[in-house]
Amino acid sequence: EIVLTQSPGTLSLSPGERATLSCRASQSVPSSYLAWYQQRLGQAPRLLIYGTSSRATGIPDRFSGSGSETDFTLTISRLEPEDFAVYYCQQYGRSLTFGQGTRLEIK
Amino acid sequence: QVQLQESGPGLVKPSETLSLTCAVSGGSISGGGFLWSWLRQHPGQGLEWIGYIYSSGSAFYNPSLKRLVKISVDTSKNHFSLRVNSVTAADTAVYYCARTDGNYYHFDYWGQGTLVTVSS
Repeated sequence: EIVLTQSPGTLSLSPGERATLSCRASQSVPSSYLAWYQQRLGQAPRLLIYGTSSRATGIPDRFSGSGSETDFTLTISRLEPEDFAVYYCQQYGRSLTFGQGTRLEIK
Repeated sequence: QVQLQESGPGLVKPSETLSLTCAVSGGSISGGGFLWSWLRQHPGQGLEWIGYIYSSGSAFYNPSLKRLVKISVDTSKNHFSLRVNSVTAADTAVYYCARTDGNYYHFDYWGQGTLVTVSS
């Protein structure tokens, strides 16, 4: 099973700042099979990015994804108040696994 | 717009069977290119994929849960279901159903989730 490790566990930033979230895989993940989700408190997760860098329908362009093999990054260029949430990366290998999440909180 | 809605008991006794159904609207469950998944999230924890099913009825499961889980599909009712046998308190979680892209295996539409508590 491929293990995804996200860092940092918690990220404290202010609105308007840039956020960089990391997802590291224990084995190489094909770029087509890496996705990112946002989960606001009390809500279901929402797909943000799939295929490492493709934005899902309706996702603002301040969200971008990059990376390859074992190192992937989600970047939020300028934080809006609604962006403070928990973010998960997810991969498909022989099984489907998620990272443990990064909590993005208001500083 | 595709919508998914979970339904089922919110309370299950230990050792009994947890059964949930996910109703799909706004699209056919038999439409090509998609799989239909169940996931769960323990209180205050991260996300865990339970398994997915094709509209044909073939299902694939998380190896760590495979022994106790079964997913089925009813295309005539446009819904799919989850059964978890012999539940324990460790099965207390919010359960989500989700549509899964059949090429790239991400989850693009989710139900709102339903909390299932295992307790006597």
